[in-house]
Amino acid sequence: ETGVTQSPTHLIKTRGQQVTLRCSSQSGHNTVSWYQQALGQGPQFIFQYYREEENGRGNFPPRFSGLQFPNYSSELNVNALELDDSALYLCASSNRDRGLEQYFGPGTRLTVT
Amino acid sequence: GEDVEQSLFLSVREGDSSVINCTYTDSSSTYLYWYKQEPGAGLQLLTYIFSNMDMKQDQRLTVLLNKKDKHLSLRIADTQTGDSAIYFCAEAILYGQNFVFGPGTRLSVLP
Repeated sequence: ETGVTQSPTHLIKTRGQQVTLRCSSQSGHNTVSWYQQALGQGPQFIFQYYREEENGRGNFPPRFSGLQFPNYSSELNVNALELDDSALYLCASSNRDRGLEQYFGPGTRLTVT
Repeated sequence: GEDVEQSLFLSVREGDSSVINCTYTDSSSTYLYWYKQEPGAGLQLLTYIFSNMDMKQDQRLTVLLNKKDKHLSLRIADTQTGDSAIYFCAEAILYGQNFVFGPGTRLSVLP
């Protein structure tokens, strides 16, 4: 158990809709990173939030956006869903001030039909 | 750009050692990681190595880093059936502002 939780566990949406995924970071962590893991592939880095600001971004379009709250929990928002957005979405928490070990949550499985 | 490569499959017999290899391209990597993923689960951090180290040992796990060849390996001693999973190598670059994962190596442990 890493102490990182994600909700919901599973989600089904239709193309064009919007979705919000949530992540609660481990106690004492101030950084949340989001990843997309398509079936049979490694996780792809979407972005990272550190102390409520975006701190790095992978190769994802602007319709992928996020927030980090004062308690360091985070949301990932995806607008105008496409079929290729179907994947496991993972969040990882860490404390950048103490090192770069990331601890992952169990993920949210998003299916877009 | 950044790229991390791994062989996709490895089979070993129970009790043997497993060696999973990884190559990376970004010489500015600060940390290099090994994660384990079991079916339907998230990623479990197994171990990591800072880029100024050559080796790290943690119980049955040994990580070797060859910076010149940008090669990272994970050795699992006395491999057990519970070690069957997908193993991901990852690098943190730009001091953690970007993380790059490999495609994963599926380890199968045969009785």
